[in-house]
Amino acid sequence: KAGVTQTPRYLIKTRGQQVTLSCSPISGHRSVSWYQQTPGQGLQFLFEYFSETQRNKGNFPGRFSGRQFSNSRSEMNVSTLELGDSALYLCASSDPRADREQFFGPGTRLTVL
Amino acid sequence: AQRVTQPEKLLSVFKGAPVELKCNYSYSGSPELFWYVQYSRQRLQLLLRHISRESIKGFTADLNKGETSFHLKKPFAQEEDSAMYYCALSSLGSARQLTFGSGTQLTVLP
Repeated sequence: KAGVTQTPRYLIKTRGQQVTLSCSPISGHRSVSWYQQTPGQGLQFLFEYFSETQRNKGNFPGRFSGRQFSNSRSEMNVSTLELGDSALYLCASSDPRADREQFFGPGTRLTVL
Repeated sequence: AQRVTQPEKLLSVFKGAPVELKCNYSYSGSPELFWYVQYSRQRLQLLLRHISRESIKGFTADLNKGETSFHLKKPFAQEEDSAMYYCALSSLGSARQLTFGSGTQLTVLP
């Protein structure tokens, strides 16, 4: 099975812009979770989608949003970018029949200038 | 609020020596605990989870609810164990929302 893929792998934006990141889960996985990883805050949960519905949301401002499509692919969007949004954004997918394990993608490295 | 603490940012041991990576947590409900590992230039992957009570690559971890700890242990470290290790917690049945510790970089010296 192909692993979780994320596009793009690297992205450079300037303050005030918006960005969309994409995540394709492992075939058959219907749950996609997003995490932000920074040197200062570590790995933090952003949100989780299952069957096109957001089920859980972490403690992030409303500038961070996401969605999931019928094929389970997910996108996350960050509007009005700030310097502090520079981070590695990871997505993880899981099979609802095997609830415990999440499989992580390689991440998208976002740099905000 | 749930929280995971990994007190050691860096840990170095010699090959063949025992290794213990510490993890403490705070959570009011029934937690599920995990250890994730990230080898150099590889993606984050699950190493083990407490409900499985299994040994993976010689590593074991026991959930101690009294001490709220989930330390990762291996009796004889190998050079290929060098990696970043993250302890993570989720509420039981909601393993898709993980709270991670800050991680411990383990280096096994030859």
